[in-house]
Amino acid sequence: EVQLVESGGGLVQPGGSLRLSCAASGFTFSNYGMNWVRHAPGKGLQWVSYISDSGHTIYYADSVKGRFTISRDNAKNSLYLQMNSLRAEDTAVYYCVRESKGGGYTYYFDYWGQGTLFTVSS
Amino acid sequence: QSVLTQPPSASGTPGQRLTISCSGSSSDIGSNTVNWYQQFPGTAPKLLIYTNNQRPSGVPDRFSGSKSGTSASLAISGLQSEDEADYYCAAWDDSLDGWVFGGGTKLTVL
Repeated sequence: EVQLVESGGGLVQPGGSLRLSCAASGFTFSNYGMNWVRHAPGKGLQWVSYISDSGHTIYYADSVKGRFTISRDNAKNSLYLQMNSLRAEDTAVYYCVRESKGGGYTYYFDYWGQGTLFTVSS
Repeated sequence: QSVLTQPPSASGTPGQRLTISCSGSSSDIGSNTVNWYQQFPGTAPKLLIYTNNQRPSGVPDRFSGSKSGTSASLAISGLQSEDEADYYCAAWDDSLDGWVFGGGTKLTVL
């Protein structure tokens, strides 16, 4: 059974830092690209970042570029998101999401973690 | 403001057929496939439709998807009370080099 378990949420002051982790199990982690997607209170889903299976290709949403860093440790089946210079608008539930490949150049998010909430507030 | 445009709300009665639209541009829906996600309050989103019109195992065939040009639609036939949820469309955006979502549509079954 595929499982994605996030951890690291909590309360952080504006300008602070936080590191989210995601422990993956039930599949060959090193074969899949991974993403972080967030859901702010009262708003819609927002994609945050992507990392390829090898870790060599990385993308960020413009809203977090230069402040967030995605990484992975395939030996530990783990995904990370280092978040710096945090702002109130970063407050959200953060989901660890597996990306699967369909036929041709098609991709989709097939498994989501339960999410971890962190709040940026003074 | 979301890159993909969805109606914020939709409603229908049990048994009815309903569609939710998702409008994009040439760099997202126009160039890539569309996926749909269903989210109940307080829970993680779930993949509902992938690659425009494919249903994952376990998703009822009452749910179907389609895409034409820079727009996509999710159709739900035989509406049931348990379909009350938020629905999001998503696609890769070639110009942004990232995934973009619609703002979400809150479905109410009257």
